Amino acid sequence: DGGITQSPKYLFRKEGQNVTLSCEQNLNHDAMYWYRQDPGQGLRLIYYSQIVNDFQKGDIAEGYSVSREKKESFPLTVTSAQKNPTAFYLCASSIPTGGTEAFFGQGTRLTVV
Amino acid sequence: GEDVEQSLFLSVREGDSSVINCTYTDSSSTYLYWYKQEPGAGLQLLTYIFSNMDMKQDQRLTVLLNKKDKHLSLRIADTQTGDSAIYFCAETFSGTYKYIFGTGTRLKVLA
Repeated sequence: DGGITQSPKYLFRKEGQNVTLSCEQNLNHDAMYWYRQDPGQGLRLIYYSQIVNDFQKGDIAEGYSVSREKKESFPLTVTSAQKNPTAFYLCASSIPTGGTEAFFGQGTRLTVV
Repeated sequence: GEDVEQSLFLSVREGDSSVINCTYTDSSSTYLYWYKQEPGAGLQLLTYIFSNMDMKQDQRLTVLLNKKDKHLSLRIADTQTGDSAIYFCAETFSGTYKYIFGTGTRLKVLA
């Protein structure tokens, strides 16, 4: 079955540590995205990538980093520079053409302890 | 600028119609979407409308677009308890592949 998979579903991190969230898709989509979800603030774009080896900052990129070495994979690293990392993180992918659906993973809930 | 706003909460009785509203500020948006999010899960596309359309109907769902007022709405007829979720509107723009999401409206359906 085609889809987009995020892992792990729950992640705990100690303050000062970097952590990497995984996102894999087998939909053959060129575009991939990372969003952060906080209650009452909706989805805010962290980074997006339209093609392999290329990515752009979204609205809240500070304290995060990404890579896009393979079409199927778009991992997100939450660094110690991110001041308030506890949130629900959503990965999505799409065909980079207007009017097409963005497919979402099931999310990773990151908690800093 | 890119800014999409929704009211945070809506409560309706089972069997009634629900209307979820969304306002956006960028008139250059090309497609507008409605997504549904169930607790602890990702988002699923419900429907979308091209910016040159006024209305789209899909079974229990009706989307209305007022470009003059930059207002998008989603009407759910005969609302069921399974419709309880967070609903997001989103937009995309010509020449970019970013999806800009609203703040989300939490719909609660009372039995």
